[in-house]
Order: sequence, then structure tokens, then C-alpha cells
Amino acid sequence: GQQLNQSPQSMFIQEGEDVSMNCTSSSIFNTWLWYKQDPGEGPVLLIALYKAGELTSNGRLTAQFGITRKDSFLNISASIPSDVGIYFCAGPPLNSGGSNYKLTFGKGTLLTVNP
Amino acid sequence: NAGVTQTPKFRVLKTGQSMTLLCAQDMNHEYMYWYRQDPGMGLRLIHYSVGEGTTAKGEVPDGYNVSRLKKQNFLLGLESAAPSQTSVYFCASSPSLAAQHFGDGTRLSIL
Repeated sequence: GQQLNQSPQSMFIQEGEDVSMNCTSSSIFNTWLWYKQDPGEGPVLLIALYKAGELTSNGRLTAQFGITRKDSFLNISASIPSDVGIYFCAGPPLNSGGSNYKLTFGKGTLLTVNP
Repeated sequence: NAGVTQTPKFRVLKTGQSMTLLCAQDMNHEYMYWYRQDPGMGLRLIHYSVGEGTTAKGEVPDGYNVSRLKKQNFLLGLESAAPSQTSVYFCASSPSLAAQHFGDGTRLSIL
């Protein structure tokens, strides 16, 4: 199946630092989604991007839909301890038969924030 | 604040036993999905449904069956559990757009 390459795999940062992670693919995506998963819980949608070049913010989080439609990044500013968790990118590849609901997920970035 | 509810939350089975995982959503979403999450593998789609009475295979469907008799419920069955099916199972639902809403998971161990 389609692959999303998410990097880095893990990050250890100090509280207050900014964080950047990205997701790339060899396929074109028409939607990019960013999820966060806390331990013992299901993924929660953070940001959805629907247009190439789109830049969207949600509080301290900012995500962009790459111009080539093959990548996206997520930035977290001024990190706090509750930002700890696994961040996933996801999206429906354009060649998924036109279906906008079958998602491919990256393997996640594990974020640890030291107080 | 229900959203997507999965039952049970935890279960331990012996090899060869059968069980059914239940997913219920109260958002009137057309699409529902079952995923499994394993360390280092991310989320992998098992089966999905695009509406009441329909089901389709995902990426890793072998050993699982599903049913969607009612729009709000999506059942995942294991007919003869195997140790390789030890995993965390997530159900999700979505309207016509891509953004899926997830339940909190079922942790299944097969001995």
C-alpha cells in the first residue's frame, strides 16, 4: 500500500522549545490530517488541510499542506508537558480510487517534553 | 460527549476462542472503520463500511469479519483467535470528508 514517511521517529525537547515534524510521500495527497494520540487513548484530530499551500493554525499548532501535495509539516510552538504523545500524519492518496475516506497513516512521531 | 464508543476496553482470549468487538457512534456518520495498532507499524486498516449494510476489506482483513446491520454500529469479529491478533483495535467513523473520529481502543491479548 501507500507509505507515508514521518520524521523524526522521536523527539526529546525541553519545555518552551518549538517543535517541527514532517510527513512525505511519493504519492499525491488531496487531504492532509494531523492527529495526536495520548497514552491509552485513541488518536484525536488536531488539524485538517484540504488545499495545496494551505497553512492552518490551531492554538500553538500550525500545519501546512505542501505545494507539491506530497508533504506536510506540523509545528508546535512553546511546548508544554501536555504536548507529550504520538503525532500521526494521515491522508487519502489521490490514487486511492477517488475515495476520500480511506486513510493512510504515518508511523508517528513520539514527542517527549522535559519540564 | 460520546462520539465513538468501543466495548470492551480490555480482553484476554485463549487461542482458538472467538469474540466480537463492538463500535457505536452517535454522530450519524456514514463511514466506519476498524484499525489495528501494533508497535512500529502505525495504524492499519482491517475493514471498513461506507454505509449501513455494506462492508469492504482494508489492508489487513485476514482472520477478521465485520458487520454493519445498523448505521450506528460496526462489529468486528474474530472467529478463531490467534496470538498474531494480539493488538490494540481502534474503531473510527467519518462523514463524507476524510477526517475520522476515533474511539479509545480495545486492548486484546491472545494467549
